[in-house]
Amino acid sequence: EVQLVESGGGLVQPGRSLKLSCAASGFTFSNYDMAWVRQAPTKGLEWVASISTGGGNTYYRDSVKGRFTISRDNAKSTLYLQMDSLRSEDTATYYCARPIMYTTDPFAYWGQGTLVTVSS
Amino acid sequence: DTVLTQSPALAVSPGERVTISCRASESVSTLMHWYQQKPGQQPKLLIYLASNLESGVPARFSGSGSGTDFTLTIDPVEADDTATYYCQQSWNDYTFGAGTKLELK
Repeated sequence: EVQLVESGGGLVQPGRSLKLSCAASGFTFSNYDMAWVRQAPTKGLEWVASISTGGGNTYYRDSVKGRFTISRDNAKSTLYLQMDSLRSEDTATYYCARPIMYTTDPFAYWGQGTLVTVSS
Repeated sequence: DTVLTQSPALAVSPGERVTISCRASESVSTLMHWYQQKPGQQPKLLIYLASNLESGVPARFSGSGSGTDFTLTIDPVEADDTATYYCQQSWNDYTFGAGTKLELK
């Protein structure tokens, strides 16, 4: 059974940093691109970043470019999101997501999410 | 960015047929997908590549469309289908629609 378990969320002040983790199990992690998707309170879904199987290719939405870094450790089957210079508009539940197989595939598997609150 | 526009909130009675629309600001071919999200839960994939039913999803759900206009149909609607439904394109990065909240009368 595919499982994605996020951790690392919490309350952080504007301008500070936070690192999220997503522990994957139930599949060969190194064979799949991975992504982070977020959802602000009472709002819709928003793709944040994606990473290729080996980590060599990364993609970001414009609003987080230069502030967020997606990475992975295939030996540990873990996905990360380093978030720097956080803003109030980054407040959201962050989901780790896996596509069916390829980059253009939809997200077939989602974690339960971890809440990040940016506030002074 | 490719903008996806969804139909507004809908209210239907159990047993009825409901269609939820999604229009893309540019052609996305058939790289359109549909999700169901219930309060407090993560999204669940229902339909991928416009018309393919995800494994385990009831056949009451179906999808159609290509290019810029897409539709998710639920027939017949059941009480458990109360949720917000999102379309998502993967032609140009990923964008989601704003969601259509489905309520049952």
